[in-house]
Amino acid sequence: DQQVKQNSPSLSVQEGRISILNCDYTNSMFDYFLWYKKYPAEGPTFLISISSIKDKNEDGRFTVFLNKSAKHLSLHIVPSQPGDSAVYFCAALNTGNQFYFGTGTSLTVIP
Amino acid sequence: DSGVTQTPKHLITATGQRVTLRCSPRSGDLSVYWYQQSLDQGLQFLIQYYNGEERAKGNILERFSAQQFPDLHSELNLSSLELGDSALYFCASSVAGGGPYEQYFGPGTRLTVT
Repeated sequence: DQQVKQNSPSLSVQEGRISILNCDYTNSMFDYFLWYKKYPAEGPTFLISISSIKDKNEDGRFTVFLNKSAKHLSLHIVPSQPGDSAVYFCAALNTGNQFYFGTGTSLTVIP
Repeated sequence: DSGVTQTPKHLITATGQRVTLRCSPRSGDLSVYWYQQSLDQGLQFLIQYYNGEERAKGNILERFSAQQFPDLHSELNLSSLELGDSALYFCASSVAGGGPYEQYFGPGTRLTVT
């Protein structure tokens, strides 16, 4: 049962433009949502999180938007840089402290 | 370097066998999480320990078990291994026991069951 879904396995964006990564979830009881970035042969790295009571959180070039009615969140990266090329995972955390991850979106930023 | 270490890096074993994966958290972190990443799958949360006690449980099979020792390192034991257990196993640590506190991931252990 995939409670967190990333329907786009890959995304290519030109350097300097906006990257938008999307994530959908099915369980309305999640407390927090998180984004992780993963380079090959490394473990994931935490990027940004958002509480379920908020609809936006911003940290530098990274902004996460949460639309609870649509059960949808997105990560915006502006401007995109070649070093942002990686696999991005969204994750959700419930009140039982259980994490659910999506299958990831591979982002390629073209110089 | 996240500060989380995992050993071994690679493990090849046969079906029916048992293996132990080891994780040392970052200095000062009390929580350890275990995840499994199979081919084309997202990370599957297995289990979390906080200061030696089980805190949360995910999709962990009964053939799998884990523990966290007094020095806070953790071991994940996988027994009666099946081909489908071949995966990348990640350990992560965080300072707290709950909430969206940043988790620091180790580089993973790649398990191949033949």
